Amino acid sequence: KQEVTQIPAALSVPEGENLVLNCSFTDSAIYNLQWFRQDPGKGLTSLLLIQSSQREQTSGRLNASLDKSSGRSTLYIAASQPGDSATYLCAVRRTRGSTLGRLYFGRGTQLTVWP
Amino acid sequence: EAQVTQNPRYLITVTGKKLTVTCSQNMNHEYMSWYRQDPGLGLRQIYYSMNVEVTDKGDVPEGYKVSRKEKRNFPLILESPSPNQTSLYFCASRMGQQYEQYFGPGTRLTVT
Repeated sequence: KQEVTQIPAALSVPEGENLVLNCSFTDSAIYNLQWFRQDPGKGLTSLLLIQSSQREQTSGRLNASLDKSSGRSTLYIAASQPGDSATYLCAVRRTRGSTLGRLYFGRGTQLTVWP
Repeated sequence: EAQVTQNPRYLITVTGKKLTVTCSQNMNHEYMSWYRQDPGLGLRQIYYSMNVEVTDKGDVPEGYKVSRKEKRNFPLILESPSPNQTSLYFCASRMGQQYEQYFGPGTRLTVT
């Protein structure tokens, strides 16, 4: 079974800091990994999608890396802003087993960026 | 605009009164899913559909039904809602295994 863990569960930083969110998964047989942002009580917004053959993806101030063999991904946020405050979720899509194609989610990292 | 829509966004109902939450996507996606999100439990998949007339159970299907008669629509049916189905529900869709998943805005359901 695929298990996805995100560390830390919560993070509070001052505006302007660069920060790293971590995601680890137990089964390396994945199609891809996707990072989402969720504001309180709202839907999930896709931030970055990394295919299993890729090492990283970038979008603006966000950079996500993937090391499939070690079961790890990081989301790097440069020059954080109060508007970045949200919960960040990672999810992996499985390639094998009875749950082929299923998306497995971590519990998220709740980020607070204070002015 | 490419999007997944859900209705209603908020619903308060009583135990046993049948309800349907609609989900529609305008991206011609094959795959659609329903999730529920609860504090401390994260996101859990209820049902998913790989195409029209093809559906399968997720992790927590008990008490729910789905149908996929058209490619764009994937309604979630609660035939006899109970208080333990109070939750935040999300519909999602994607094109294929290699593609990103898009989520709807969520439906907050309260069953009293």
